[in-house]
Amino acid sequence: KQEVTQIPAALSVPEGENLVLNCSFTDSAIYNLQWFRQDPGKGLTSLLLIQSSQREQTSGRLNASLDKSSGRSTLYIAASQPGDSATYLCAAPGSFGNEKLTFGTGTRLTIIP
Amino acid sequence: GAGVSQTPSNKVTEKGKYVELRCDPISGHTALYWYRQSLGQGPEFLIYFQGTGAADDSGLPNDRFFAVRPEGSVSTLKIQRTERGDSAVYLCASSLYRGQAFFGQGTRLTVV
Repeated sequence: KQEVTQIPAALSVPEGENLVLNCSFTDSAIYNLQWFRQDPGKGLTSLLLIQSSQREQTSGRLNASLDKSSGRSTLYIAASQPGDSATYLCAAPGSFGNEKLTFGTGTRLTIIP
Repeated sequence: GAGVSQTPSNKVTEKGKYVELRCDPISGHTALYWYRQSLGQGPEFLIYFQGTGAADDSGLPNDRFFAVRPEGSVSTLKIQRTERGDSAVYLCASSLYRGQAFFGQGTRLTVV
């Protein structure tokens, strides 16, 4: 059974800093991993999807890495802005053929202006 | 529509009542998922449809919960004899390709 853990649970940093959010998963036989953003009272917005054959995926100031062997993924946010304040969730599917996503509990990020 | 649409956005119901939550997926998406999110937690899987059939309903907590997708598009999550513990945000997602999931804004269910 897939289990996903995110550390830290909450993070506050001054505007402009670079930061890293961590995600670990127990079942490494995954075919991809996703990072989502969730604003208060809203649904989930997909940020990055990393296929198992990739090690990194970039979108603007965001960079996500995937290390299947160690069961870890990181989300790197460069030059943070107040608009980046949100909860960030990572989600991994189960083993090949298992379509459901298992989510971590998220990291609540606050960027201080 | 452009995205996944869920209605209603908010639902308050009395304990013991029956509720239906609706999900309109992105047009053409064959896969549809329901998740439930409690405060401070990540979403938890409930059920997955591929076309009209439920391919995996292992996340439904008990037999008070049921979901249908009769024509392979719109889905309805049905909860009978609601309990206060059912209060949560119910999220729907759809996808065309494996591993991708596009989420709706959710329905916040409050059972009083």
